[in-house]
Amino acid sequence: GDSVTQMEGPVTLSEEAFLTINCTYTATGYPSLFWYVQYPGEGLQLLLKATKADDKGSNKGFEATYRKETTSFHLEKGSVQVSDSAVYFCALTVGGNNRLAFGKGNQVVVIP
Amino acid sequence: EAQVTQNPRYLITVTGKKLTVTCSQNMNHEYMSWYRQDPGLGLRQIYYSMNVEVTDKGDVPEGYKVSRKEKRNFPLILESPSPNQTSLYFCASSPNSRSGANVLTFGAGSRLTVL
Repeated sequence: GDSVTQMEGPVTLSEEAFLTINCTYTATGYPSLFWYVQYPGEGLQLLLKATKADDKGSNKGFEATYRKETTSFHLEKGSVQVSDSAVYFCALTVGGNNRLAFGKGNQVVVIP
Repeated sequence: EAQVTQNPRYLITVTGKKLTVTCSQNMNHEYMSWYRQDPGLGLRQIYYSMNVEVTDKGDVPEGYKVSRKEKRNFPLILESPSPNQTSLYFCASSPNSRSGANVLTFGAGSRLTVL
């Protein structure tokens, strides 16, 4: 079935460092791809999305490009802040409904 | 304010005591869904609803029931809770069921502990 794989383990980095979180997907159709972010004690909220190949989603300094040839949607930010500490989920939907398949999430901790 | 509201936010209960987690959205969304979040497993879908009176199983429906009698409400029912249902539960909604690009709006979560 359709699925998303995120890199294993938490990510700890210093303020102003470069962040990359890998996401690859498996889908039979042409998925829409999403990154959701969960701040401590809150529900998930959309960070960015891309709906077709080569689209780039961006928000709050984060970017991800829909790469059909590598089935990837890696999340990047050039200079992280302490306020970016959160759990980041990659997700996809395929077809005519809103069923989202989520990755397992990556805890990001930014140290001052 | 557009939002998804879940109640209760925190609950400790005992095995076998029926409980309901309510979910309400004020955005006139057609689609609603329940997820559970467990460490190392990410989010898994329990049930979803494409519209009023239309519900379907997600990936982990065992031990849960739902109903969608009104567009705004989508309660999650645990008829006989067990300890393996201890989890963080999220309700979510989106505008319609026909586009895979719709963005989900999530509630703040309900942390359930079953002793």
